[in-house]
Amino acid sequence: EAQVTQNPRYLITVTGKKLTVTCSQNMNHEYMSWYRQDPGLGLRQIYYSMNVEVTDKGDVPEGYKVSRKEKRNFPLILESPSPNQTSLYFCASGIPGQDGYTFGSGTRLTVV
Amino acid sequence: GQQLNQSPQSMFIQEGEDVSMNCTSSSIFNTWLWYKQDPGEGPVLLIALYKAGELTSNGRLTAQFGITRKDSFLNISASIPSDVGIYFCVLASGGSNYKLTFGKGTLLTVNP
Repeated sequence: EAQVTQNPRYLITVTGKKLTVTCSQNMNHEYMSWYRQDPGLGLRQIYYSMNVEVTDKGDVPEGYKVSRKEKRNFPLILESPSPNQTSLYFCASGIPGQDGYTFGSGTRLTVV
Repeated sequence: GQQLNQSPQSMFIQEGEDVSMNCTSSSIFNTWLWYKQDPGEGPVLLIALYKAGELTSNGRLTAQFGITRKDSFLNISASIPSDVGIYFCVLASGGSNYKLTFGKGTLLTVNP
């Protein structure tokens, strides 16, 4: 089954403790992206990757890092999480220009 | 950056009613997408629109790309309880339309 898999689905952590949210897709897509969703704000893009070793900032990249060492994986790294990064995070992959992207089921992160 | 306004923010309707939501942008775009997010899941593409004036249907859903290329609407006819969720209008931009910009969403509640 074609899908985007995120892990974990839920995570509660403390301020300053580094964490990684993994994202994997099995559709051989070159494009992958991370979004955060906050109430009343829709989804906002954090980082995106057009291909292996090619990443770029989205609209809200502060406090996040990403890497793209292989096509299928695109982890999101929070080096020093803060409470304002409490949010619902989505990873997506696809072929630009072809009917949108496939989204994962989300990771709900709480930073206390 | 471009402004994308989606309305209404929320709707509460009775099963069987029709519903309409719309989006306007401050700039001209070539691609409008409509996504739906079920509770606890990631967004899923409903309809993609690529040409000004284009009217596209997907079952009980109908969407149109405004002739000014600055607006779009989504209609749902004869609503059912599983229509509950958040509906997003999305603009695709950038080379190959890689960048998705989400509206703030319309939360739809259907009363059985």
